Amino acid sequence: DAGVTQSPTHLIKTRGQQVTLRCSPISGHKSVSWYQQVLGQGPQFIFQYYEKEERGRGNFPDRFSARQFPNYSSELNVNALLLGDSALYLCASSLQGLLAGGPYNEQFFGPGTRLTVL
Amino acid sequence: GQQVMQIPQYQHVQEGEDFTTYCNSSTTLSNIQWYKQRPGGHPVFLIQLVKSGEVKKQKRLTFQFGEAKKNSSLHITATQTTDVGTYFCAGPSFGNEKLTFGTGTRLTIIP
Repeated sequence: DAGVTQSPTHLIKTRGQQVTLRCSPISGHKSVSWYQQVLGQGPQFIFQYYEKEERGRGNFPDRFSARQFPNYSSELNVNALLLGDSALYLCASSLQGLLAGGPYNEQFFGPGTRLTVL
Repeated sequence: GQQVMQIPQYQHVQEGEDFTTYCNSSTTLSNIQWYKQRPGGHPVFLIQLVKSGEVKKQKRLTFQFGEAKKNSSLHITATQTTDVGTYFCAGPSFGNEKLTFGTGTRLTIIP
C-alpha cells in the first residue's frame, strides 16, 4: 500500500500570495492532520479532520484553513503569506482521531511540502 | 496552552553508549506517542503509551509513561549509528484533539 502522499514537494511563493497544499491519506484512514515544522523545531499542530469534520485546531491565524474531501484527501490553504510561513508542512493520517487511545492513533506522516516565502 | 518540553536538546554519544531523553508536559496527557525524525526526513511513529506507569520495550529502546501521565522517557541501550535523528514525544491533553509535539532531542553518534 502507498503511504501518505503530499504535493507539491517544494513551493516558492512571495509575500501576500496564497498557497494550497494537498494530501492523500493511506487507504482506509479517515483522519488527516496538518502540521507546520520550522527548521530545528518540533511539528506544530494546525488542524485535524476526521470524517470530513474539523476536530481540532491549533494556534494559527485565520489565514490558515483546511478541508477534507469525501475520499478523505485534504487540502491546506494559506492566504496572505508572510515570511514566517516558510516551513515544512506535514500531513499525517491515522485510522481514528487522536482521543481514541487505542492502537490506531499512530500518525503516519507524509514527506511534507517545503514552502519558501520570499 | 499546553507545553511539552524535552531534555536534553542535543546529545552526542559514543557508539555503544546509552542515551535517554525526557519529556515533560504542562498538562495531563491522555496518551503519549514517540516519533523519530531522521535528518531531512519526516517523523516516524515509534510507540504509543496509554496507561499510567506503563513501560514498553522495543529491542534496545525502552519507553516509560509517568504515574501522573505528565512525563515520559525514552532510553536507548548501546546506541548504534542507525539511531541518529531527532526524537520527539507528542501527546494530546484530555478532552483536546490537538496533538502537541515536544521540543525534541537531537541524537548524534560518534563512531
